[in-house]
Amino acid sequence: RKEVEQDPGPFNVPEGATVAFNCTYSNSASQSFFWYRQDCRKEPKLLMSVYSSGNEDGRFTAQLNRASQYISLLIRDSKLSDSATYLCVVNHAGGTSYGKLTFGQGTILTVHP
Amino acid sequence: GAVVSQHPSRVICKSGTSVKIECRSLDFQATTMFWYRQFPKQSLMLMATSNEGSKATYEQGVEKDKFLINHASLTLSTLTVTSAHPEDSSFYICSARILAGGFEQYFGPGTRLTVT
Repeated sequence: RKEVEQDPGPFNVPEGATVAFNCTYSNSASQSFFWYRQDCRKEPKLLMSVYSSGNEDGRFTAQLNRASQYISLLIRDSKLSDSATYLCVVNHAGGTSYGKLTFGQGTILTVHP
Repeated sequence: GAVVSQHPSRVICKSGTSVKIECRSLDFQATTMFWYRQFPKQSLMLMATSNEGSKATYEQGVEKDKFLINHASLTLSTLTVTSAHPEDSSFYICSARILAGGFEQYFGPGTRLTVT
């Protein structure tokens, strides 16, 4: 089983749509969780951290369910500029893996006019 | 804030030569920098963790004598690909964690290496 699993998509949605991405992680001791976006042939950029209480940043809402080891990202009112690959990222808990991030394979989103 | 630069952005070299890639944190100090490699249509794979003033920690399967890492200061880490082969052609990306910050990492723009 992969440490971080995402639905690779692709998701093709019209502008203005709401789209949700899901992610599961296998290490129950993981501490920190993030969503990054990566544009084609570019570096990943931090979109938002994910907290147990859930957090929102404009059109983006992230949720964490530690019991189910599940992370989600909701994008409302999709824009063309939201087209990218969205990476679910988990921080390792400790030991020799302390501080390392593990990346999911990414979910491809294409927003069309 | 939290800007990471990487140089060069693109390099083409001949098989057997060495290539050095620099990673700098421009507006913050980074205790730890990370080096990743990404092949087309694949996710990032961590190669090594670089701590200022100490030896890098390499991931399983990554040859430390082939991928030399030096972390001389809190703002600079370098990766040298020695005796490059065509199979080393990839997108190399560094990242940095802010000193006394959280676990999020900030990425450089990447270096696209092509070995001919």
